[in-house]
Amino acid sequence: TAGITQAPTSQILAAGRSMTLRCTQDMRHNAMYWYRQDLGLGLRLIHYSNTAGTTGKGEVPDGYSVSRANTDDFPLTLASAVPSQTSVYFCASSEQLGLAGSGEQFFGPGTRLTVL
Amino acid sequence: GQNIDQPTEMTATEGAIVQINCTYQTSGFNGLFWYQQHAGEAPTFLSYNVLDGLEEKGRFSSFLSRSKGYSYLLLKELQMKDSASYLCAVSPNQAGTALIFGKGTTLSVSS
Repeated sequence: TAGITQAPTSQILAAGRSMTLRCTQDMRHNAMYWYRQDLGLGLRLIHYSNTAGTTGKGEVPDGYSVSRANTDDFPLTLASAVPSQTSVYFCASSEQLGLAGSGEQFFGPGTRLTVL
Repeated sequence: GQNIDQPTEMTATEGAIVQINCTYQTSGFNGLFWYQQHAGEAPTFLSYNVLDGLEEKGRFSSFLSRSKGYSYLLLKELQMKDSASYLCAVSPNQAGTALIFGKGTTLSVSS
């Protein structure tokens, strides 16, 4: 079944450690995104990539980095985790608005990260 | 700045109709989306409006007024499975497809 996969499903991480959250899509979408979702704050954009080889900063990029070496993969790295990065992380992908459909975003199942 | 407002919580009974409002103020506008998110799951796409008016899709309808910066999601013949969070999101520009999300409205449907 086509879609987006994320790994791991959940993780407990010690503060100061680094971690990479993985995201892979098989829909050949140009654009990919990383969001964090916190109670009372909704979904907030961390980083995005409109096409392979390019990335951009979202609303809350500090402490996170991304890369987009190919169309399918968009890993998110926490270089030195802090407790405030405890959250649920969602990866999403979409086609460009106007090119195919509405440009709706398809979301992965999420990664629940706890930083202690 | 960019701002999207929607009520935090709503309650309704099975079989009823509920309207979830969303107002937005963004630097640009290239479409408004509604997503449904059940607890512990990923958001899933419900509707997209870019022109003024009503879009109907089964029991769900979405309305947009660009001049008022206003949208609503209408859910008819409510079922228990409609208990979820409903997220309003705006695409502010054509350069990219990143969305700005509201904080979501948690709808509880009771029997």
